[in-house]
Amino acid sequence: GESVGLHLPTLSVQEGDNSIINCAYSNSASDYFIWYKQESGKGPQFIIDIRSNMDKRQGQRVTVLLNKTVKHLSLQIAATQPGDSAVYFCAETPSGYSTLTFGKGTMLLVSP
Amino acid sequence: ETGVTQSPTHLIKTRGQQVTLRCSSQSGHNTVSWYQQALGQGPQFIFQYYREEENGRGNFPPRFSGLQFPNYSSELNVNALELDDSALYLCANGLAGTDTQYFGPGTRLTVL
Repeated sequence: GESVGLHLPTLSVQEGDNSIINCAYSNSASDYFIWYKQESGKGPQFIIDIRSNMDKRQGQRVTVLLNKTVKHLSLQIAATQPGDSAVYFCAETPSGYSTLTFGKGTMLLVSP
Repeated sequence: ETGVTQSPTHLIKTRGQQVTLRCSSQSGHNTVSWYQQALGQGPQFIFQYYREEENGRGNFPPRFSGLQFPNYSSELNVNALELDDSALYLCANGLAGTDTQYFGPGTRLTVL
């Protein structure tokens, strides 16, 4: 079936670097996308979302970019901190369905 | 914090037994979705409840069932447990008509 996938299973960066986590999706009907952060032993934490009528959305230290042409999503984290170390998932859904489809996740490791 | 709580935190059962997991609802959120997250994987959608009725189901057998109560809290019941049911079970709250879902901390189920 259609699913969301991630290119890099593990990303290691130094504190202060900018991090980019990528995600490919295949369901052309999806028009709502969310990035979640999951720390060990905890549930996924909402970071930022974007709808398909937008190409870019910014939050605090995070930016999500959406390229609908190639079905690609990315999460940029500015000035990465050790507290950003976690597994990051992108999830997608067609509007109104609320059945999120997740990929496997990317582990972000931030070294001091 | 999302305001979504789940109980118990951890649970150990043996194959063939039945289990009930519980989820409280964040104030004002009237949909509840359940996800199964195997180790190292992204969450997989089990089903969603709205107005105390099932409102969408993923690829899970009928031995996975649920309830939603008038106060929007919810239960996930799994009968005839199998070893592969060992996973983190996540509850997510949302608001009907919107797509964002907020997750609880999960219940770690181990089936021996």
